[in-house]
This record gives sequence, structure tokens and C-alpha cells, in this order.
Amino acid sequence: DVKVTQSSRYLVKRTGEKVFLECVQDMDHENMFWYRQDPGLGLRLIYFSYDVKMKEKGDIPEGYSVSREKKERFSLILESASTNQTSMYLCASSLVSTEAFFGQGTRLTVV
Amino acid sequence: QKEVEQDPGPLSVPEGAIVSLNCTYSNSAFQYFMWYRQYSRKGPELLMYTYSSGNKEDGRFTAQVDKSSKYISLFIRDSQPSDSATYLCAMTYSGGYQKVTFGIGTKLQVIP
Repeated sequence: DVKVTQSSRYLVKRTGEKVFLECVQDMDHENMFWYRQDPGLGLRLIYFSYDVKMKEKGDIPEGYSVSREKKERFSLILESASTNQTSMYLCASSLVSTEAFFGQGTRLTVV
Repeated sequence: QKEVEQDPGPLSVPEGAIVSLNCTYSNSAFQYFMWYRQYSRKGPELLMYTYSSGNKEDGRFTAQVDKSSKYISLFIRDSQPSDSATYLCAMTYSGGYQKVTFGIGTKLQVIP
């Protein structure tokens, strides 16, 4: 069974903290993504990666960075967490655009 | 105007009803159209995808694409309480890697 695993289901962090969200996939997919999902705004792409050590900005990259040192692992970094980054974060991987596999999501609250 | 418009609902139907979920889009370059289902506190999972115009059926689910009207639909026959979820439409330019644009999702509740 294919799997995308996010390291935490729920996180509470303080404003200004550096936050790491980890994602691991076991399907040998080249493409990996980080989205955030907010009510009324849907899924918005933060960053994606189509190969190891490669990264591309999505629609809302400000305040975030990513790291992909190994094919199976894609990390999202909030350099200095702010309250407007409170959201559900979803990691996904895919071979082709027509089928993405999502993790369970990390609900991040910044206080 | 958003590239993809989807009514967020919520939509409540009785068990056994036929459900129609819809999205409209503005970019005529979209070629592939997907429907994802997302249960509460879970990530989305792909239900089905369709290439260009036409219908595709999978069990109780039928996806329809009308490119001339820039309108896509997902029909659920004999709806079950287990179908209660948020349904997201999504679309992209090609089947390789291209950016995928998602609708905001329609929340569906099937009442027993």
C-alpha cells in the first residue's frame, strides 16, 4: 500500500520559532509537494520538488523554505513562525499530475 | 476571477439520493480533470480522473467533462453515509508533471 507519512498530526508552536515539517514517501516518486489548506481558500501550493536537491516555488512561498536531500524525504521549514501560518499542511507525492498521494496532514497552530 | 470555481456547500442529501457535484473553470488549456475525496482530518485521495471531454464511470461514481462549457461534474449514485466527505475537483494541462489547480472543495453530508 502506497504511503506518504507526515511526522506530526498536530503541532503547537510559538511565534518566532523555527518549525520543521517532515514528509516521507515510499513510492520512489520524483515529485513531492507541500500545500496548505485553509477554509474558503482550498489547497494552495507552497513549494514543490521534482528531483533530489531541486525545488520550485509554488503560489505562496513567502515565509517558507524546503529541503530535499533524499528522494523519499521532503521537509518544509517555517523560518520564523507567525500566527498567519496557522493552517493544515499537506504533503503529497506523484509520478504524474493526474494522481497525487497525500499524507494525513499536519495541523499547525502558531500562538 | 479564480481559475477554478467550486461551491463549498455544505450539501446535505438523504441516503440513496443521486448527488451532483460541479466545478467551472476559466482556462481552456486544462486537459486532465480529477476528483479527490477528503474525509475529515485526512488527506485527499484520488477518486478518478478524466482526459478531455466525455464521461468516465467507476462503480457508483461518474465523472463528466464538458470542455465547451468549461464545466465538470461528479455524480454519485445510491449515495451512502460513508460518502460524507469533502470533494475537491482538480485540473492540469498534461499528464506529465504540470501544476495542478484545485477547487476549494464541496462538503457533502449523506443523511441515513
